[in-house]
Amino acid sequence: DAGVIQSPRHEVTEMGQEVTLRCKPISGHDYLFWYRQTMMRGLELLIYFNNNVPIDDSGMPEDRFSAKMPNASFSTLKIQPSEPRDSAVYFCASSGRSYNSPLHFGNGTRLTVT
Amino acid sequence: AQSVAQPEDQVNVAEGNPLTVKCTYSVSGNPYLFWYVQYPNRGLQFLLKYITGDNLVKGSYGFEAEFNKSQTSFHLKKPSALVSDSALYFCAVTGAGSYQLTFGKGTKLSVIP
Repeated sequence: DAGVIQSPRHEVTEMGQEVTLRCKPISGHDYLFWYRQTMMRGLELLIYFNNNVPIDDSGMPEDRFSAKMPNASFSTLKIQPSEPRDSAVYFCASSGRSYNSPLHFGNGTRLTVT
Repeated sequence: AQSVAQPEDQVNVAEGNPLTVKCTYSVSGNPYLFWYVQYPNRGLQFLLKYITGDNLVKGSYGFEAEFNKSQTSFHLKKPSALVSDSALYFCAVTGAGSYQLTFGKGTKLSVIP
């Protein structure tokens, strides 16, 4: 199994531009999570999906952020327009259906907004 | 609301010595507790979990953790540290029936040769 795959690994963009982060979860996993990691705030859960349906998006910081999961093998996190304070490492993770199933993380996308 | 505290930003230990990385938690009901490790420029990797049963949980790479309900703690331990154990360690908690995992701020472990 290739694990959770995220792309791109690095993204540098200018303020005001649209940014799209991509994630391919592990096949057969029912849950997909988007996290953001910064030095100041640590790891924050942004949104999670169950069987492609968004369950809780209360962690999404603003309307500039949106996430979709059109099918079981693909999810996107979009920021439009981007701002310098969005600079962070964004992680996608997937897990099985049990509450105690561990999360499997991708290697993240490091976003820099100038 | 659930929360995790990792009181030490950094832990330094000599190679071959035992190590402990501390974690305390707060959650309604019975906790599900996890430890993850993060190496530079990588995602988090699962080490071990406590769901129920024996308070001493064994995990990957020789790590273990002790659940203490009265002290609401879940400290990570290893009898003999390796230089390759140097990384960032995260404790996480969720309540039974919840998929929302809350992570601590992380503890940087440095094992000195």
